[in-house]
Amino acid sequence: LAKTTQPISMDSYEGQEVNITCSHNNIATNDYITWYQQFPSQGPRFIIQGYKTKVTNEVASLFIPADRKSSTLSLPRVSLSDTAVYYCLVGDLVTGGGNKLTFGTGTQLKVEL
Amino acid sequence: GAVVSQHPSWVICKSGTSVKIECRSLDFQATTMFWYRQFPKQSLMLMATSNEGSKATYEQGVEKDKFLINHASLTLSTLTVTSAHPEDSSFYICSAQHIKGGKDGYTFGSGTRLTVV
Repeated sequence: LAKTTQPISMDSYEGQEVNITCSHNNIATNDYITWYQQFPSQGPRFIIQGYKTKVTNEVASLFIPADRKSSTLSLPRVSLSDTAVYYCLVGDLVTGGGNKLTFGTGTQLKVEL
Repeated sequence: GAVVSQHPSWVICKSGTSVKIECRSLDFQATTMFWYRQFPKQSLMLMATSNEGSKATYEQGVEKDKFLINHASLTLSTLTVTSAHPEDSSFYICSAQHIKGGKDGYTFGSGTRLTVV
């Protein structure tokens, strides 16, 4: 599984756009990039997933450059409730078969008023 | 959407006793379930991978005789912490992979806070 590197922490204010970048230099051809959000004492929650270019859903956007060696999670207009740990994971999630997800350190996002 | 139920959400037990944690996929069949442990302010650490009807695969450093995993059906996996000690106190999280696999086929339970006194 490709190793990921992301900032340990980030601070922001309500209403701002937050971009969290993840490096995954050894990403494999079959690997997808998935981001999860975790609140204290809860299990991780799926945010967004992509393979290349840009993906957008109702909560976030994911930007992936052509070489796929990094990705950026973009949270538009964050609120206090977005304070959480965000994990970037890279792996082959398409073929099933029990491919395990390995979590890196994650990024602790703190949103203030 | 896919839902994974984990029970109990928290448990306190005496040192030396055993505790069982259940992980159920409520609306889908899970070929594979994963068990994680998370200490305060740390990331999730994969403990083991369990497949229905077969023995679990443990990560290096995880004692298989201490953390017993049973995956009896496509919707239920259990983790039993045997002879628990205070250092086993942690947040345990399960994850289930949908039988069809797919890009968003991993769903996590809400976690179990184990405190051993």
